[in-house]
Amino acid sequence: EAAVTQSPRSKVAVTGGKVTLSCHQTNNHDYMYWYRQDTGHGLRLIHYSYVADSTEKGDIPDGYKASRPSQENFSLILELASLSQTAVYFCASSAGALQDTQYFGPGTRLLVL
Amino acid sequence: GDSVIQMQGQVTLSENDFLFINCTYSTTGYPTLFWYVQYSGEGPQLLLQVTTANNKGSSRGFEATYDKGTTSFHLQKTSVQEIDSAVYYCAMRDGGNYQLIWGSGTKLIIKP
Repeated sequence: EAAVTQSPRSKVAVTGGKVTLSCHQTNNHDYMYWYRQDTGHGLRLIHYSYVADSTEKGDIPDGYKASRPSQENFSLILELASLSQTAVYFCASSAGALQDTQYFGPGTRLLVL
Repeated sequence: GDSVIQMQGQVTLSENDFLFINCTYSTTGYPTLFWYVQYSGEGPQLLLQVTTANNKGSSRGFEATYDKGTTSFHLQKTSVQEIDSAVYYCAMRDGGNYQLIWGSGTKLIIKP
């Protein structure tokens, strides 16, 4: 049974619209992450969280907000979607921050038109 | 700053060929190095990690080592199969940092 799930799996959004991507984990992990994946760039960290009701900025947070209402749920919010935010988004969780393995969800493919 | 360079964007092999993928890293700390594999339509999953220079990690027929002298780490497999077709990412975590720093990925294509 998948331990990190994401919804929706794909989405088409209009420029300037609001987009919310959701992530749910059943690993009982403290840390959760949002990455975006672009061809030729690997994965880049957008936001992360190590406790409910708190989020931290990653390497590329501009244009994105995050919300962690509970240990299990972590959302990524694009208040004003732009063409440049077309990408595949991955959520991940880990028990701790340092040596722990990150477990990824299946990804959300976002197309902004 | 810390960085990971993965030069091979795509590798095409035949079944039973030898696989070698290399990454170079830059850090002032003591890194742990990872290989993640991403199959089509899925998220990345951990394949191997190596925490000590010159030690080997192994899993599912893959081996990984890293060389502190040349600041490089590589993934190899003696005989690839079609099911190994995937994108392979190297990644690094500095001992004092929470973040994974990712290479750009190598797409492995296995010709049947």
